Amino acid sequence: KAGVTQTPRYLIKTRGQQVTLSCSPISGHRSVSWYQQTPGQGLQFLFEYFSETQRNKGNFPGRFSGRQFSNSRSEMNVSTLELGDSALYLCASIGGGFQETQYFGPGTRLLVL
Amino acid sequence: QKEVEQDPGPLSVPEGAIVSLNCTYSNSAFQYFMWYRQYSRKGPELLMYTYSSGNKEDGRFTAQVDKSSKYISLFIRDSQPSDSATYLCAMRAGTGNQFYFGTGTSLTVIP
Repeated sequence: KAGVTQTPRYLIKTRGQQVTLSCSPISGHRSVSWYQQTPGQGLQFLFEYFSETQRNKGNFPGRFSGRQFSNSRSEMNVSTLELGDSALYLCASIGGGFQETQYFGPGTRLLVL
Repeated sequence: QKEVEQDPGPLSVPEGAIVSLNCTYSNSAFQYFMWYRQYSRKGPELLMYTYSSGNKEDGRFTAQVDKSSKYISLFIRDSQPSDSATYLCAMRAGTGNQFYFGTGTSLTVIP
């Protein structure tokens, strides 16, 4: 079974721009979570989608948004980029039946200049 | 108070040592506990999964959960240089609930 894929793997943007990141979950998984990871703050939860609906949301400003499509693929968007948005953005696919847990993709490394 | 607390380290041990990694938590509703390993510039990979209290062993790795103390541990026996990574604990109350992560402990195993 293919793992979680994220595109692009690397991005360089400038302040004020917007960015869209994509995530394809493991086949059969219907839930996707997004996280921001920085050296200082660790792994911070952005939001989770299940069957195209946002199920949980972290404490991030409205500039961070996401959506999920009917095929479970998900995108997250960050508008009006700030220098502090530079981070590794991780997508996690949730599944596993009784032992439901998260399986992470390789991440998208975003650098905001 | 954070939901999950984890000592960030760094932790440095000689090859062959037994490593103990720990997390504490505040939410007594947490029932599902996980340990992830993250190599530099990679996504976290699931190492161990435990439901409720007790021990679980997988090769050189043992996960322990003590719900009465709100304390979980990961033990690594016969540590290897390839175990050098950041270890993250994670937990959740139930299906559909948010996952909460520790900040991660950086481990270096010296040959």
